Amino acid sequence: QQPVQSPQAVILREGEDAVINCSSSKALYSVHWYRQKHGEAPVFLMILLKGGEQKGHEKISASFNEKKQQSSLYLTASQLSYSGTYFCGTEDAGNMLTFGGGTRLMVKP
Amino acid sequence: AAGVIQSPRHLIKEKRETATLKCYPIPRHDTVYWYQQGPGQDPQFLISFYEKMQSDKGSIPDRFSAQQFSDYHSELNMSSLELGDSALYFCASSLRQGGEAFFGQGTRLTVV
Repeated sequence: QQPVQSPQAVILREGEDAVINCSSSKALYSVHWYRQKHGEAPVFLMILLKGGEQKGHEKISASFNEKKQQSSLYLTASQLSYSGTYFCGTEDAGNMLTFGGGTRLMVKP
Repeated sequence: AAGVIQSPRHLIKEKRETATLKCYPIPRHDTVYWYQQGPGQDPQFLISFYEKMQSDKGSIPDRFSAQQFSDYHSELNMSSLELGDSALYFCASSLRQGGEAFFGQGTRLTVV
């Protein structure tokens, strides 16, 4: 079953912060985050393997609450290059990587 | 560094024709995933392979089949193509099942 992402779309000014949420109805082993630019392949951002784990990548970080089966992606001091569609991918017992519906992020000057 | 290679990059087929998409994973990666992404939609999981065996199956139509060969490359075979099959088809590979997946640039299939 597909994870649910929120919000579906976000418009930011450069330098503003954003949070993207991902939740699943199934028990998760890991959560992946990807960013996709229009017409390009999704690009891996980070993977969270343990409950409560937080990871950071430049000004982009994420947390994983295993008990709540939720993950959040934090974008701080957003840059124009952050624009794109962010997908969370969840891995359950079947090792299948299933993507959420995506969050379209647009950063304006 | 070597990346996931997909071929062809673009493909135009007529309805009811067949198409074969190829995917060459990153060397030493043993897992391959296939995804279909329609315009403005999220990637939909089709099928995956681990060590040349089918691992998981998603929303793959019966008209489609896929396999992973001894050199770990994978092919997605699509028959009796329909207009609705027009999409971007991504292949991704990972070092292990559920590990970080690296995507190829995709094959854009247009069915006319």
